Amino acid sequence: NAGVTQTPKFRILKIGQSMTLQCTQDMNHNYMYWYRQDPGMGLKLIYYSVGAGITDKGEVPNGYNVSRSTTEDFPLRLELAAPSQTSVYFCASSPRQGNSGANVLTFGAGSRLTVL
Amino acid sequence: AQKITQTQPGMFVQEKEAVTLDCTYDTSDPSYGLFWYKQPSSGEMIFLIYQGSYDQQNATEGRYSLNFQKARKSANLVISASQLGDSAMYFCAMRERNYGGSQGNLIFGKGTKLSVKP
Repeated sequence: NAGVTQTPKFRILKIGQSMTLQCTQDMNHNYMYWYRQDPGMGLKLIYYSVGAGITDKGEVPNGYNVSRSTTEDFPLRLELAAPSQTSVYFCASSPRQGNSGANVLTFGAGSRLTVL
Repeated sequence: AQKITQTQPGMFVQEKEAVTLDCTYDTSDPSYGLFWYKQPSSGEMIFLIYQGSYDQQNATEGRYSLNFQKARKSANLVISASQLGDSAMYFCAMRERNYGGSQGNLIFGKGTKLSVKP
């Protein structure tokens, strides 16, 4: 009953370093998302995927890359980390949206990233 | 223009009293969904309640109810009989049918921090 699992929970990076945030879900959800949450703000969409092999940009994609080789995994890659990427990152998943539309997103616990 | 507006950065409520958290939204899409999530200090996002734009009745889930006023484009969360464990950030979110090509993405407000006093 794991749901959405994110690793690592905390990470400190130096400017210019790269890293990958891992996200795995065991609910067989088609849709997966990456959001970032800056202090005092709501969540903003970075990238999303509607199925294996399909990804697309959200509202704030610059500085990030994603891939979706399997239904379960949706890693987020940060290239050349910058202080502006200091944030809390949330991965989420949801089932394929039907006509009912409820399609609740299930979130991971979050990954707190600091870039110094 | 903001799609989701939560005008109350912080709210206080006495334990066992009811509290209303405000949310207004902006959309021209006739088909949309409205969500409320709770984020306690531990950081996780917990789904509370959902209201579809075509739903005739206001959604309820236990102590949570959604006061949906479609003409005013408001979707206020009502928490009855507040408990100390209700202290958290609360986010209103909306999904439009055709937002940015994603049929599942949520647009979030900035949140309201609720503090329950004993």
